[in-house]
Amino acid sequence: QSALTQPASVSGSPGQSITISCIGTSSDVGGHDHVSWYQQHPGKAPKVIIYEVFNRPSGVSNRFSGSKSGNTASLTISGLQPEDEADYYCNSYETSGTYVFGSGTKVTV
Amino acid sequence: QVQLVHSGAEVREPGASVKVFCKASGYSFTSYHMHWVRQAPGQGLEWMGIITSRADRLIYAQKFQDRLTLTRDTSTSTVFMELRSLTFDDTAVYFCAREAPDDYWLDPWGQGTLVTVSS
Repeated sequence: QSALTQPASVSGSPGQSITISCIGTSSDVGGHDHVSWYQQHPGKAPKVIIYEVFNRPSGVSNRFSGSKSGNTASLTISGLQPEDEADYYCNSYETSGTYVFGSGTKVTV
Repeated sequence: QVQLVHSGAEVREPGASVKVFCKASGYSFTSYHMHWVRQAPGQGLEWMGIITSRADRLIYAQKFQDRLTLTRDTSTSTVFMELRSLTFDDTAVYFCAREAPDDYWLDPWGQGTLVTVSS
């Protein structure tokens, strides 16, 4: 149950696109499509922005998109906006029945 | 609307136990699982465990297996998290988060309870 690997920080200018990777193993990310992404602003609870690899909950901007290849999931934020500055975490179900979060990525706009 | 409201902040000494709760409203309590996730100051999210909708399954992260207990009270739509043998490293905000069965994602989250372990 080691944390999934994410880059510590990613930065971009307004309007640009950035991608955050989430590297796991065949026992978690690579084993199924139960990967989700969460956005957390300082002092707030996390909020889901992507579920089942690429699905967006109602109300989440279509500037957020998800994908997966092998043991690596990715979150792309296009048309970067100041309000996107936050911490982002991936999460995966594990074949053991547990869940695991990524190490987290701080996005700076 | 769906709400998860946590109990207030707690302070404990090392070696003690803490029990915090998360009260649900706005949905059918017995139709959803509940997860617990914690976040130490300045650190990332750490998954702790899940109690299923009917409380017939409890799954804990390996590191918490011997000192974590999750329970739920359907009469008050409340989920409880008890952590024993506290150390300074257990200082964190503890969140509850709902999951629809077979959804594998967490939404919404409660506002969290700060537990401080201090001598």
